[in-house]
Amino acid sequence: DVKVTQSSRYLVKRTGEKVFLECVQDMDHENMFWYRQDPGLGLRLIYFSYDVKMKEKGDIPEGYSVSREKKERFSLILESASTNQTSMYLCASSGRTGGARNIQYFGAGTRLSVL
Amino acid sequence: AQSVSQHNHHVILSEAASLELGCNYSYGGTVNLFWYVQYPGQHLQLLLKYFSGDPLVKGIKGFEAEFIKSKFSFNLRKPSVQWSDTAEYFCAARNSGGYQKVTFGIGTKLQVIP
Repeated sequence: DVKVTQSSRYLVKRTGEKVFLECVQDMDHENMFWYRQDPGLGLRLIYFSYDVKMKEKGDIPEGYSVSREKKERFSLILESASTNQTSMYLCASSGRTGGARNIQYFGAGTRLSVL
Repeated sequence: AQSVSQHNHHVILSEAASLELGCNYSYGGTVNLFWYVQYPGQHLQLLLKYFSGDPLVKGIKGFEAEFIKSKFSFNLRKPSVQWSDTAEYFCAARNSGGYQKVTFGIGTKLQVIP
């Protein structure tokens, strides 16, 4: 089974802190994604990466950055956390070949509260 | 801009009722379509997908969806829902080929009453 592991289920941070959310996948997938999930807004793409050291902005990249130094790991960084970044953050990965190509596999999510 | 619209945000059904959740997309070109489901307390997971071929696709747990190109729709159906189908359902789309992002709809919460 594909496993996408997010380092924390719950995080509480203070306004202005730098926050790192880590995601690791074990299926050698090329593509990795970061979303935030908010009630009534669904999933919104923050950033995605289709290869090591590559990144593309999603629909709401402002206030976030990402890092992909290794194929299996994709980190989301909140440079200076703000209260409007309180949300559920979901990481996903997908492969580009085979019968399961372009199917996204999701982690359990990190619920971040910024106070 | 590419978008995915889900018409029903909250649906309440009794067990054994039939289900149809609407999904429309606005994409040019060839499109890949998905339905994902999130059961309470669980990860988002794939329910079914359409890439090409037969426009009627079958997924897990008795769900099916029909791709109607002329209507830009990909509605999800199930003839008889069960209490265990209570979940949030997300329609998603991407342009096929290349390094394409996926766009999700805002989701439909389905509550099935025993």
